[in-house]
This record gives sequence, structure tokens and C-alpha cells, in this order.
Amino acid sequence: GQQLNQSPQSMFIQEGEDVSMNCTSSSIFNTWLWYKQDPGEGPVLLIALYKAGELTSNGRLTAQFGITRKDSFLNISASIPSDVGIYFCAGQQFPGTYKYIFGTGTRLKVLA
Amino acid sequence: EPEVTQTPSHQVTQMGQEVILRCVPISNHLYFYWYRQILGQKVEFLVSFYNNEISEKSEIFDDQFSVERPDGSNFTLKIRSTKLEDSAMYFCASSLADTQYFGPGTRLTVL
Repeated sequence: GQQLNQSPQSMFIQEGEDVSMNCTSSSIFNTWLWYKQDPGEGPVLLIALYKAGELTSNGRLTAQFGITRKDSFLNISASIPSDVGIYFCAGQQFPGTYKYIFGTGTRLKVLA
Repeated sequence: EPEVTQTPSHQVTQMGQEVILRCVPISNHLYFYWYRQILGQKVEFLVSFYNNEISEKSEIFDDQFSVERPDGSNFTLKIRSTKLEDSAMYFCASSLADTQYFGPGTRLTVL
């Protein structure tokens, strides 16, 4: 089946640092969503991307839909302790499916 | 802000028993989904539902699983005869179009 590879798998950073993570695939995707998941909770939508090349921000978060439509990245600027969690990308494959394939996740830990 | 809600938050059952997981999607949404997440793993698609029928399902969604929208607000996932490997978090999601919003999940533990 289709795979979305996320990297890094985990990262430890100091509070205030910027963070970058990405998601890659061998397949083309139609839509990319980025979610954050806290332990024992459901994924919370952070950013949605609908067009190749699109760059979208949500506060300190910025995400981009890769030009090739096979990748996406998420940046977090000036990290704070509550950024701790697992970040998942999810891709909806072209054409016309409503199924999202989730990435393997990036576990972020922020040291105060 | 409207949210997807799920009940119960935690369900413990014996192997072979039937369970029904319940979801109330966001009220004006048209598409409904179930996903599952085995502990420590990624979220996996189970099924999508639109216009009162299954529109897509994964290979995980075998004959033991069924979904129903019994009224205008609830969306349920039934597992007929649970197996140990069904233990996971089950997430309901809903969407108006492409952007899916997830509920908090039901943790299913099969003993």
C-alpha cells in the first residue's frame, strides 16, 4: 500500500528553537493535512494544503505543499513547551478518494 | 467551535463479544470516517461513509465490521466478534469536503 515517510522520527529541541519536519512519498497526493496528537487524544488539525506549491501559516506554524505533489513540510517557529506531541502528515491521493493515508509521525519534545 | 464527539472514551470487552462505538459528527458535515490507531503506531483508515452508504473501505474493514448512521446525528462502528488484535484507539472523523476533523477517540481493549 501507499506509504508516507515522515522525518525525523523524533526530535528533542530547546524551547525557542525552530523545528522542521517533512513527509515524502513515491505517489502524488491531492491534499495534505498536518495534525498534532497528544497522548490519548485524537489528531487535531493544524494546517490544510490543497494546491501544489501552496504555503500556509497558522500562527507559528507554516506548511508547504511540495511542487512535485509528493511531499510536504511543516515548520514550527520559536517552539514552546506545549508544542510537545506527535505530528502527523496525512495525504489524500489523487484522484477522488476521501481516504487519508497517515505518515509515520514525528515525536517532538521541547526542553524548557 | 463544533466538534466531533465519541462515546465511550474507553471500552473493555471480552474476546468474541460485540461492541458498538458511537460518534456524533459535526452537524453540517456530509462525509464520515472511522480510523484506528494501534498503540504506538500510525493512524489507519478503516471506512468512509457518504449518502448512507460505504464509499470506500480498507482491507482491515472485513466482515466483522459494519457502520451505520441510524439517525440524523449518530454514526456507529460495530465489531461483531472482537479479537485481541482489535485492541486500539478508534477515531471517528467527519468532513464537509476534503478537510477531516477527528474526534477524541474510543480506546478499545479486548481481553
